[in-house]
Amino acid sequence: DVKVTQSSRYLVKRTGEKVFLECVQDMDHENMFWYRQDPGLGLRLIYFSYDVKMKEKGDIPEGYSVSREKKERFSLILESASTNQTSMYLCASTGGLAGARSSYEQYFGPGTRLTVT
Amino acid sequence: GDSVTQMEGPVTLSEEACLTINCTYTATGYPSLFWYVQYPGEGLQLLLKATKADDKGSNKGFEATYRKETTSFHLEKGSVQVSDSAVYFCALRTSAGRRALTFGSGTRLQVQP
Repeated sequence: DVKVTQSSRYLVKRTGEKVFLECVQDMDHENMFWYRQDPGLGLRLIYFSYDVKMKEKGDIPEGYSVSREKKERFSLILESASTNQTSMYLCASTGGLAGARSSYEQYFGPGTRLTVT
Repeated sequence: GDSVTQMEGPVTLSEEACLTINCTYTATGYPSLFWYVQYPGEGLQLLLKATKADDKGSNKGFEATYRKETTSFHLEKGSVQVSDSAVYFCALRTSAGRRALTFGSGTRLQVQP
């Protein structure tokens, strides 16, 4: 059974704290993604990674950074949390090398609901 | 750029009613199209997909047909159940460029007994 796990389901942090969200997949996938989900906005891409130590900005990277030191693990970092980063964060992964077919399914983790007070 | 437009919710139906959730898209090239479902408290899971024009994706009684001429991928089910209550997301991915999905805003479906 394929699996994407996220380190926390719920997290409460204070403004200005450094926050780490961890994601692990057991499918040996090359590509991993971080999205945030907000009501009425759907899912928006923050960052993605197509290989170890490789990363690319998505649509809303401001205030975030990422780390991928091992193939199975992709971390999202909020350098200095702010209240407008209160959201649901979803990690996903998919297989395929460069030029991968567009039909490949993305597998999602259960999400981390982050509240910044 | 790529975009997906879904009908706004919530959609409230009685059990055994027919469901249609509209989805239209704008994309460069020839995208693959997906419907994902999110049950309360869970992450997203793939419901169905279609990879080329006129393909029909189907799963769990849901269907959607890839209509290139109208750039649409509407989700349909003939008879909904209470257990279908969830948020449904239409999404696309093109083979060129990045491998992320572009999502619509989601449509919440509530099915009443």
